[in-house]
Amino acid sequence: GENVEQHPSTLSVQEGDSAVIKCTYSDSASNYFPWYKQELGKRPQLIIDIRSNVGEKKDQRIAVTLNKTAKHFSLHITETQPEDSAVYFCAANNFNKFYFGSGTKLNVKP
Amino acid sequence: NAGVTQTPKFQVLKTGQSMTLQCAQDMNHNSMYWYRQDPGMGLRLIYYSASEGTTDKGEVPNGYNVSRLNKREFSLRLESAAPSQTSVYFCASIFRTDGEQYFGPGTRLTVT
Repeated sequence: GENVEQHPSTLSVQEGDSAVIKCTYSDSASNYFPWYKQELGKRPQLIIDIRSNVGEKKDQRIAVTLNKTAKHFSLHITETQPEDSAVYFCAANNFNKFYFGSGTKLNVKP
Repeated sequence: NAGVTQTPKFQVLKTGQSMTLQCAQDMNHNSMYWYRQDPGMGLRLIYYSASEGTTDKGEVPNGYNVSRLNKREFSLRLESAAPSQTSVYFCASIFRTDGEQYFGPGTRLTVT
């Protein structure tokens, strides 16, 4: 099956700085890559996604890049705010199954 | 439009007891999923159902069974609970596999 690795496991930034979270996947057949934000005690919520035929996607302060050759994708958050503090998960869809990274706990310091 | 609902929200079981976790969605989605989330870890797929009448194993299916009762409902059964099954269980649904996955609120299960 697919294997998704996510780094770093924790990330602390100052408010206003940028944050970057990176994921790698193992199976070139994976074709859809969502990112989720999960606040403490809540359900995961989709924040951005990218399909395998696209290299980059942006939505306001959030962007995702995908490098199919290297099999890695990254989440970029600019101008971070305290409300961005949460755990972020990447995932890869491989033949209808979703495989998740282990998560990155982002702490934005005011 | 309630989205994805799960019952119960919390449950405590003794080792060896059985229980069924219920999940329902009202968005006419085709595919439904069951995940478990252990502390400090990502979600791991237990079982999924691509459409009504079909189910398939995920990464961690041992100790669980599922039923896709109809298009709306997908239940997860623990026949003989073990402490290793202590976790938060999330159900999710999706209309198409490259579209947004909607999660239920989760069931926090403790097995003593």
